Amino acid sequence: GQGVEQPDNLMSVEGTFARVNCTYSTSGFNGLSWYQQREGHAPVFLSYVVLDGLKDSGHFSTFLSRSNGYSYLLLTELQIKDSASYLCAVRDRGSALGRLHFGAGTQLIVIP
Amino acid sequence: GPKVLQIPSHQIIDMGQMVTLNCDPVSNHLYFYWYKQILGQQMEFLVNFYNGKVMEKSKLFKDQFSVERPDGSYFTLKIQPTALEDSAVYFCASSLWTGGTTGQLYFGEGSKLTVL
Repeated sequence: GQGVEQPDNLMSVEGTFARVNCTYSTSGFNGLSWYQQREGHAPVFLSYVVLDGLKDSGHFSTFLSRSNGYSYLLLTELQIKDSASYLCAVRDRGSALGRLHFGAGTQLIVIP
Repeated sequence: GPKVLQIPSHQIIDMGQMVTLNCDPVSNHLYFYWYKQILGQQMEFLVNFYNGKVMEKSKLFKDQFSVERPDGSYFTLKIQPTALEDSAVYFCASSLWTGGTTGQLYFGEGSKLTVL
């Protein structure tokens, strides 16, 4: 079956960093996306990776290891406003049109 | 940035009634999606739609569900009749290209459906 797992919660201090982990087990692999979602609002796209390694996008960086079925989203220089839920979503090889398998999300709380 | 609008934001109906959830996708987008999220659980794919047709649907997309986008207007999800287990937040999304090439879908803020 398709499984995308994330820790439920994460707490970090303002000005430091937070790493949100995601492990997946899908029927093949065709890309992994990260979304940010604030309560009551739409998920907002952050990053997409399909090749192994680290992709640096400034405030957000994304790492992927396809052989381990593992990704993380790294947020640096945390601000209070980074407090939100972060969703990992994987597209399996069998999907032609962006059918994503989502994790339940990691609720990040940034404290002063 | 581009926005996907969903109407209504919240609807309460009695079991067995029909409901239509409306989505106004980003104007030049070609691909449309519905996802379902039960409180505390992950978002789950229901269906995607392109060129007037359902391209893929999951087992959650029961026979009571239907989607359409008549004449380029709202992209709608209709449930007839509704059941208690249909209570959830339904998210609409759209993309210009296939969402798989960049991973970027634009989501609406969701329509919360409560079936009594």
